[in-house]
Amino acid sequence: SQQGEEDPQALSIQEGENATMNCSYKTSINNLQWYRQNSGRGLVHLILIRSNEREKHSGRLRVTLDTSKKSSSLLITASRAADTASYFCATIGGGGTSYGKLTFGQGTILTVHP
Amino acid sequence: GAGVSQSPRYKVAKRGQDVALRCDPISGHVSLFWYQQALGQGPEFLTYFQNEAQLDKSGLPSDRFFAERPEGSVSTLKIQRTQQEDSAVYLCASSYGSGSAGGELFFGEGSRLTVL
Repeated sequence: SQQGEEDPQALSIQEGENATMNCSYKTSINNLQWYRQNSGRGLVHLILIRSNEREKHSGRLRVTLDTSKKSSSLLITASRAADTASYFCATIGGGGTSYGKLTFGQGTILTVHP
Repeated sequence: GAGVSQSPRYKVAKRGQDVALRCDPISGHVSLFWYQQALGQGPEFLTYFQNEAQLDKSGLPSDRFFAERPEGSVSTLKIQRTQQEDSAVYLCASSYGSGSAGGELFFGEGSRLTVL
């Protein structure tokens, strides 16, 4: 079963605009990761944020984590047409998970128009 | 190779046929995962191997699904007597470690199974 929900399900923007995607989850976590998937391809890891971190940056990506609200957001700044893809959040559960099993959300489909 | 390799990329099977999907993880990666991804959905966990040991198979949908990794490297996911609901993309992922802290998973391109 899916860990949580992503919002919005689809997002359409113009090149140069910022894109924000949100993710909510249900159980305690060890860390939360964001992945990108181009159509018909595998998933590519973007960024990982640990449960004791609140914000993390990587290039044009900014991730926030609010464990009290069990939510995270991914911000892509100055978007490009090449950012068009599906974006998934995934969590690794806290409380005794013995290995790095990821549980994925439903994903957000981002379309960036040139 | 440099990445996770899966074969075949596309498989069409008639209902009732058996299929085998292969995953060649990144060399030296201890952990190997299989996920199933239905159209328009996120990946759903199927099973996990730590080296050759299958430590979690809680996500396998039925006893028609079987996975193995006999020498701790290449893994095969086998589906017996395929049904239409088995149509999906099957993703393999590997990672170097096996600890609870978790880390980045490296995914293959997937095997798209269509059952007619």
